[in-house]
Amino acid sequence: GQNIDQPTEMTATEGAIVQINCTYQTSGFNGLFWYQQHAGEAPTFLSYNVLDGLEEKGRFSSFLSRSKGYSYLLLKELQMKDSASYLCAVPRRDSSYKLIFGSGTRLLVRP
Amino acid sequence: GAGVSQSPRYKVAKRGQDVALRCDPISGHVSLFWYQQALGQGPEFLTYFQNEAQLDKSGLPSDRFFAERPEGSVSTLKIQRTQQEDSAVYLCASSLGVQRAYNSPLHFGNGTRLTVT
Repeated sequence: GQNIDQPTEMTATEGAIVQINCTYQTSGFNGLFWYQQHAGEAPTFLSYNVLDGLEEKGRFSSFLSRSKGYSYLLLKELQMKDSASYLCAVPRRDSSYKLIFGSGTRLLVRP
Repeated sequence: GAGVSQSPRYKVAKRGQDVALRCDPISGHVSLFWYQQALGQGPEFLTYFQNEAQLDKSGLPSDRFFAERPEGSVSTLKIQRTQQEDSAVYLCASSLGVQRAYNSPLHFGNGTRLTVT
């Protein structure tokens, strides 16, 4: 199958920078998504990467290395409201409309 | 504008009962998905509709699960004879066009949390 690995939990301080990593199997790659999910709420789209490199979008940036099967989400100037789960997802090789999600990284931002 | 709306927000069912979960996608969205999310896990694909056509139901866990979208807008996920292992959050998502996941983010609803006792 297409495995996706992310750390289960991370803790960071308000105002700091945090990097959330995601690794995936590389064959049949069709891009990688990051979603944010607050407890009890809907996942919301953060970013989509299909080419190597860093894409910046305000306080959030996402990086992709296709050859390494690796991505990270970089959150700058952390705010308390950034406490949430961050889900990494890739389309299935055989059916690209299906997303395979990682288990998510639960980020706790402390004052 | 209005996002994806799901009802009920919470549902408690006794084992063996039938349940129906409703999804109102964003108006005009062609593609509609159901995902199941267990506690502490990422969402898992259940089924996919393009307008009223159910193009993929490969993720439905058993024949107790049934989904429909008869007029190409509202969708219902029905679970018959619920079991404890059905307890999860059921997420509905929609997108505007024919789904090509590699460039089209999904808009998710807040989900229905189903607890089977």
